[in-house]
Amino acid sequence: AQSVTQLDSHVSVSEGTPVLLRCNYSSSYSPSLFWYVQHPNKGLQLLLKYTSAATLVKGINGFEAEFKKSETSFHLTKPSAHMSDAAEYFCVVSEKRSGNTPLVFGKGTRLSVIA
Amino acid sequence: EAGVAQSPRYKIIEKRQSVAFWCNPISGHATLYWYQQILGQGPKLLIQFQNNGVVDDSQLPKDRFSAERLKGVDSTLKIQPAKLEDSAVYLCASSLGGPGQIPYGYTFGSGTRLTVV
Repeated sequence: AQSVTQLDSHVSVSEGTPVLLRCNYSSSYSPSLFWYVQHPNKGLQLLLKYTSAATLVKGINGFEAEFKKSETSFHLTKPSAHMSDAAEYFCVVSEKRSGNTPLVFGKGTRLSVIA
Repeated sequence: EAGVAQSPRYKIIEKRQSVAFWCNPISGHATLYWYQQILGQGPKLLIQFQNNGVVDDSQLPKDRFSAERLKGVDSTLKIQPAKLEDSAVYLCASSLGGPGQIPYGYTFGSGTRLTVV
């Protein structure tokens, strides 16, 4: 069965410093991987997705993630944090196989940005 | 393009009462999903429809939860009777593609926040 593990439940960074949110996945098939962001009382927004093309994926708002099959990781990074980045971030996996293809979410990482 | 519409936005009910949520997916999206997001956790799939047929309802508590998607468009999710642990945000999502395909155009609604007291 597919699953994702977000290694940190809470990450705190200073404004202007790099962001690293860690995610490891488990999948029996070739996975697609996603990062979603959820601001307080807002809906889920897709940041970026990996679907077996380039391993370094660029998303919105300066975020990017690198798919590393050997490490089964898909960490999310941003060179310089902004106050507006404070939110909950979810790493998500989906498999291409027969039957259903739902999104399986990690438990989330709360990012705090300190002025 | 209109997004996934959900109503109501908020609902407060007493335990053992019933409640229903409504979802209108993006036009043309054959696949519809209901997720439950308990506070502090990631969303968990409850049920997936392909057109008006159920693809996966293995995590739906069928003794109290039911869902339907009449005519393959709108969907309703019902809880009867509600328990305190059902307090959560219920998210509807829709996508293009179906079983065996990576979902694309995956779009979430804003959700319905249910509080059971």
